[in-house]
Amino acid sequence: GDSVTQMEGPVTLSEEAFLTINCTYTATGYPSLFWYVQYPGEGLQLLLKATKADDKGSNKGFEATYRKETTSFHLEKGSVQVSDSAVYFCALSDGNSGNTPLVFGKGTRLSVIA
Amino acid sequence: DGGITQSPKYLFRKEGQNVTLSCEQNLNHDAMYWYRQDPGQGLRLIYYSQIVNDFQKGDIAEGYSVSREKKESFPLTVTSAQKNPTAFYLCASSATWAAKTQYFGPGTRLLVL
Repeated sequence: GDSVTQMEGPVTLSEEAFLTINCTYTATGYPSLFWYVQYPGEGLQLLLKATKADDKGSNKGFEATYRKETTSFHLEKGSVQVSDSAVYFCALSDGNSGNTPLVFGKGTRLSVIA
Repeated sequence: DGGITQSPKYLFRKEGQNVTLSCEQNLNHDAMYWYRQDPGQGLRLIYYSQIVNDFQKGDIAEGYSVSREKKESFPLTVTSAQKNPTAFYLCASSATWAAKTQYFGPGTRLLVL
């Protein structure tokens, strides 16, 4: 079945450092790809998405490019802030996922220190 | 403001007790979902509803029940058959079943006394 694999956390960075969180996927069809962010004690917020190959999603300085050839959707940000500390989830939605409309990775915790 | 509300924020359950978690949305979305989140496990789908008066089991439905009598409401009951209910529960919705973007509520943390 479909699956999403994210890099293990936690990731700890200094403020203004460059961020990359790796995400790769396995899907039978042509999925849409998502990054969600979860701040402590809260629900998930949609951060960005891409619906087809070579699309780039972007929001709040974060970017991710849908790479079909490497089945990847890595999240990047050029300069992180303390307020970016959260758990980041990569997810896919593929009409061929049976009863599971969204398949999530296990999440990557990011801590940014001043 | 449009959005999804969940209540309560924290819920305590005694052994052998059923408890119900509330989820309400005013987005006029057709589809609604319940997920369970455990540390280091990501999110797992409990139940989903494509449209009012319809719902289907997800990956981990055992020990849970739902109803969808109104479009805006999708309550989840954690029954006494769920032996390990301590988790963070998240409700989500999407405009339609085919719409792939889901929007999430703030969550309810369930603890067993």
